[in-house]
Amino acid sequence: QSVLTQPPSASGTPGQRVTISCSGSTSNIRSNTVNWFQQLPGTAPKLLIYSNNQRPSGVPDRFSGSKSGTSASLAISGLQSEDESDYYCATWDDSLNGWVFGGGTKLTVL
Amino acid sequence: EVQLLESGGGLVQPGGSLRLSCAASGFTFSGYAMSWVRQAPGKGLAWVSSITGTDGRTYYADSVKGRFTISRDNSKNTLYLQMNSLRAEDTAVYYCAKDRTSSGGYCMDVWGKGTTVTVSS
Repeated sequence: QSVLTQPPSASGTPGQRVTISCSGSTSNIRSNTVNWFQQLPGTAPKLLIYSNNQRPSGVPDRFSGSKSGTSASLAISGLQSEDESDYYCATWDDSLNGWVFGGGTKLTVL
Repeated sequence: EVQLLESGGGLVQPGGSLRLSCAASGFTFSGYAMSWVRQAPGKGLAWVSSITGTDGRTYYADSVKGRFTISRDNSKNTLYLQMNSLRAEDTAVYYCAKDRTSSGGYCMDVWGKGTTVTVSS
């Protein structure tokens, strides 16, 4: 199982706001910043959020991130059909001396 | 434009070896840490290894320690992953990714399209 814990699935209807959680520990999320990646089917991951809540240029402001203690979350507002994808959280783990990922959350737009 | 292009994947027998390459362009390669991340069929992302930009410090996941070696040739703007003693569970798409910092562990902001490694007899 993954070091970071995400729900395996999430869903929402167009226009809704959905959140995806990511739970870790003191050696990873509490100690380091969190990144979020979007992976469309058959494609490489794309950076969505870095440094807990920063968006790279080109990422719509419908996507936002937050962190508190040993948990982080990704929020998507104004859900669109093209948001249907897999989402992963990731951060550095000071005990493992490496990157750790969540198991991924498959978002379905109903 | 910042680009990463992996190559070197293929079909290899258990116990065999393979060397992956990742050609970088569009940025000062030596100034950034680089990583390999893999994804087994139908599974999630899993970090494999990282190397810092300037001093070349290396880090490995326990699952590949002692079998895989990450390296970089800053004169050729190329990242490598030498994979030895390959196992069926190493079957995956292997992505290279660039970090935003030289020391790494901060943000993998650019990813290649990946190269597929299949370990099977």
